[in-house]
Amino acid sequence: ETGVTQTPRHLVMGMTNKKSLKCEQHLGHNAMYWYKQSAKKPLELMFVYSLEERVENNSVPSRFSPECPNSSHLFLHLHTLQPEDSALYLCASSQGHPGTFTYNEQFFGPGTRLTVL
Amino acid sequence: GIQVEQSPPDLILQEGANSTLRCNFSDSVNNLQWFHQNPWGQLINLFYIPSGTKQNGRLSATTVATERYSLLYISSSQTTDSGVYFCAVTGTASKLTFGTGTRLQVTL
Repeated sequence: ETGVTQTPRHLVMGMTNKKSLKCEQHLGHNAMYWYKQSAKKPLELMFVYSLEERVENNSVPSRFSPECPNSSHLFLHLHTLQPEDSALYLCASSQGHPGTFTYNEQFFGPGTRLTVL
Repeated sequence: GIQVEQSPPDLILQEGANSTLRCNFSDSVNNLQWFHQNPWGQLINLFYIPSGTKQNGRLSATTVATERYSLLYISSSQTTDSGVYFCAVTGTASKLTFGTGTRLQVTL
């Protein structure tokens, strides 16, 4: 595998389900990101992890819970979602500068298209 | 935070035509990226261009940081160029902020 991979590519879940999205980067980067892309809205940054430490959380509801066990893997755990959470969820990675939180070129995975019924 | 505006919002071209997409941003930036999002949602890196000019095949980009804009040129467009083109910028110690995109449709 090369670049950034995401699984699953499509997910349909009910509001009471618990599921997880997985992201893996094969680029040797030290920063990973979750973005949400809803219809007719710009991409929204959800979470940033730098060296496995969460450095940014953009007012995301607690029903979204990220986990970064190492610099290559990032998860997004989902529980009791709402229909308005249906969106394309994109993972990205970059070689960051942890001390200053400036971010270099980001590379994106193919995304998980989530539908909440 | 930084505001990013892209124009035009929609563009229809006949195959073989040339086009220019514009990205304006409201403050100084450290990084600027152009992406192409294909119909399946994949964001493909086109250019990492905080300043200057770069070319890659039929595509080229120019960023004039002092005047706070970037241009993406597509020459001899092909149907496979269809999709949404995003500009995204990072200011000093800030997150990557995306514009609303230009939706391009190339017809035969």
